[in-house]
Parts: sequence; structure tokens; C-alpha cells
Amino acid sequence: ETGVTQTPRHLVMGMTNKKSLKCEQHLGHNAMYWYKQSAKKPLELMFVYSLEERVENNSVPSRFSPECPNSSHLFLHLHTLQPEDSALYLCASSQWTGNEKLFFGSGTQLSVL
Amino acid sequence: RKEVEQDPGPFNVPEGATVAFNCTYSNSASQSFFWYRQDCRKEPKLLMSVYSSGNEDGRFTAQLNRASQYISLLIRDSKLSDSATYLCVVNLSGTYKYIFGTGTRLKVLA
Repeated sequence: ETGVTQTPRHLVMGMTNKKSLKCEQHLGHNAMYWYKQSAKKPLELMFVYSLEERVENNSVPSRFSPECPNSSHLFLHLHTLQPEDSALYLCASSQWTGNEKLFFGSGTQLSVL
Repeated sequence: RKEVEQDPGPFNVPEGATVAFNCTYSNSASQSFFWYRQDCRKEPKLLMSVYSSGNEDGRFTAQLNRASQYISLLIRDSKLSDSATYLCVVNLSGTYKYIFGTGTRLKVLA
């Protein structure tokens, strides 16, 4: 079983749809992240949760809504997205001590039509 | 200036060649350094951490130069399977802030 499991792998949605991305980590980590990766751009941090509390929100539009019910699970709820939101969305986890390696899920390739 | 800069490439090299990538970072408070490998449309996977004394893992060698604020990755005896994008990642001291470079694309040719 992989350390960080992310679903779905691919998602196509219209601008009026509501969908959710799911992430689960089996590594005993206490921090979880959502990143966005657009073509030819570096990974952009969207949200960070430590011990289930959100500690960072990089001015992400409200059409992206994270949820962290416990230290092993993380969701990203999507609604009324725009075509420019099409990207690879990556979940990651680490230990909250800094200096620790990030482990990524397989990512969700999102296309907004 | 970008916080982490990498040459985007692509670097096209023949099998068996030695290739080196450099990465520069701007924040002197950076404390931890990593190289990740990312295949097309897949997640980044940790290749190796980078330590001050330099470190080696098989055909891969990583070096850190804090004075000049750059890290490097050397790949010896390149394999076709090494073809990927290599991401330089810097972590600010004791924080959750991981800063990613845009990546350097490597193509190893038969």
C-alpha cells in the first residue's frame, strides 16, 4: 500500500459542478498539504494543515475549500471552478518538524470545461 | 528573482553520459534541501536529500554550497530510465514552507 493515496486520478468537470478530491496518508505524519501544479510553473502551496488545524492559506480562491477531519485524511472541495483552474493537484504529507521530506500522492489531473 | 531557480533544459544526453544540474536559492534561511524526480503527469518522488558534506546514492551525487547558495545533482552512467524532470526543493528553517524550482528536464537518448 502506498504511503499517500489520492483519488481520483483524473477528473473532468464543468464550471457548475461540485466535486471533491480525497487524500489519505498511512505514514503517521501530522502535516498534510495541497499543492497545485500548472504547466511550466513550480508547485504552488495552497493549504497546509498541522494537527488538523489549517496553518496556511496562500490566498486561494474560495471556490477551493479544504477539509481535514483527522491527521490521516484531507479533502479538497471544488465548486464553480474556472477553466484556468485546470492543473495537477497534489496532496502531500510530512512530519511537522520542518526539515522533513514531503511524500506525495499520485495527484489528480483536473480539467475544467 | 525567483526563490529557487533551475535551468529548465531539456538536457539531451546519450546513455552512459554524466550530466549535472545546478539549482540556486535566494533565501539564506533555507535549511533543508532535496532533489525530487517527477515523471510526466505523475507525482514528484524523493530522489535524495542534500547534506552539507555532500552525499552519494549509487550513480547520484548531491552537493550543497551554502556560501554561494546553490545545490547540484550529478548523474553518472545515465540510463534511459533516468529521463524525467528533476525538481530542486528548499525548505525554510523549521517551517512547512517548501519552495520548489520549476524543474530541469532530462532526456537520455539511446
